[in-house]
Amino acid sequence: QSVLTQPPSVSAAPGQKVTISCSGNSSNIGNNYVSWYRQLPGTAPKLLIYDNNKRPSGIPDRFSGSKSGSSATLGITGLQTGDEADYYCGTWDNSLSAGLFGGGTKLTVL
Amino acid sequence: EVQLVETGGGLIRRGGSLRLSCAASGITVSSNYMSWVRQAPGKGLEWVSVMSVGGSTYYADSVKGRFTISRDNSRNTLYLQMNSLRPEDTAIYYCARVLFTFHYDSSGYSWYLDDWGQGTLVTVSS
Repeated sequence: QSVLTQPPSVSAAPGQKVTISCSGNSSNIGNNYVSWYRQLPGTAPKLLIYDNNKRPSGIPDRFSGSKSGSSATLGITGLQTGDEADYYCGTWDNSLSAGLFGGGTKLTVL
Repeated sequence: EVQLVETGGGLIRRGGSLRLSCAASGITVSSNYMSWVRQAPGKGLEWVSVMSVGGSTYYADSVKGRFTISRDNSRNTLYLQMNSLRPEDTAIYYCARVLFTFHYDSSGYSWYLDDWGQGTLVTVSS
């Protein structure tokens, strides 16, 4: 069971918006920055968002991130079938002195 | 362009040892935080270990005392020595470059993995 909690699955129609939540505590998300990753089937994860809301070069502005207290949210607008993937949040935990990932959320574009 | 290539995976019996390698190009391993992350079949990502620029190391509790992260600066390669392997260590192992900094203005750590290898599969039989 992951320290960071994500919903196992979310779904939405093409063109719609979806949000994925990631809940932690004061040892991790509450006091550190959050990153988000996308993993397409059979491939390595790819960085989508870092420092809560920053996008690496090449990531479209359809992807956004936010943080409030000990929770973070990934938003995806203009959903495409190619967005079907597993999404993970990540951060550092000060008490564990360890990196953390959420359990992952499978996005289905209906 | 950053390229990370993991090798060394395979089938090993419970209790055995294996050393994974991650050869880097486009970056200098010794000038970056480098991490290992694993993913069991059909499961999520699990952080395994990280080595700092200064050589400090950190491990997940699940591997502490059994796994050792190291690097060879002359080969620009990161390693993961895995001993006393268990069936639950079966996973794809990825190496990744980590950006790990402390923001004094917010008193918080920024930790994210921006470059990943393709992974190498380790299977531990019982």
